[in-house]
Amino acid sequence: NAGVMQNPRHLVRRRGQEARLRCSPMKGHSHVYWYRQLPEEGLKFMVYLQKENIIDESGMPKERFSAEFPKEGPSILRIQQVVRGDSAAYFCASSPGVAGADYGYTFGSGTRLTVV
Amino acid sequence: GDSVTQMEGPVTLSEEAFLTINCTYTATGYPSLFWYVQYPGEGLQLLLKATKADDKGSNKGFEATYRKETTSFHLEKGSVQVSDSAVYFCALNSGGYQKVTFGTGTKLQVIP
Repeated sequence: NAGVMQNPRHLVRRRGQEARLRCSPMKGHSHVYWYRQLPEEGLKFMVYLQKENIIDESGMPKERFSAEFPKEGPSILRIQQVVRGDSAAYFCASSPGVAGADYGYTFGSGTRLTVV
Repeated sequence: GDSVTQMEGPVTLSEEAFLTINCTYTATGYPSLFWYVQYPGEGLQLLLKATKADDKGSNKGFEATYRKETTSFHLEKGSVQVSDSAVYFCALNSGGYQKVTFGTGTKLQVIP
């Protein structure tokens, strides 16, 4: 029973390139959350998606960042024209329902993005 | 809005020492409270949770009690091991589909 799968584990991009981060939720989970962890900081919420729908993107920067969770396939977090400040660990989490009393998140191992 | 405040780290303890990591929160309504643990190079793992006042969550020797009157959820362990060295995050969820709000994390270092 695979957990939340994220790939790649490490990604290096030059300034101005695009970064694509993938997340496959646990089997049976239809809710996906993306968080960003900057060095020496906690996790900051970015976006919450259900299949084919963005439910809450209040934590996403307005420009260059986008996310999707198609009917088939993994959730994708896309960062266009990356800058050094985008260097961080990006974590995906999934849950079978809303992240309320009966659930906690199940996290993936993260993608560590380095912009050079 | 919701917020979680944790004690600053790093916390350095000798093996078998008693651990307390303080956590207080601000939230609307009656949130669920969580502790997550992050080992080096890995994602976060749910350690324990409590869903209502006076509930005690426990796992792997760790425990935390939901204190509504003091809005706290302090993490404790009676005897830490070197393998407990990690970053610990306190978190809350106010219900519904709202996203989970995390504290900034407290790094624990246990030395032999």
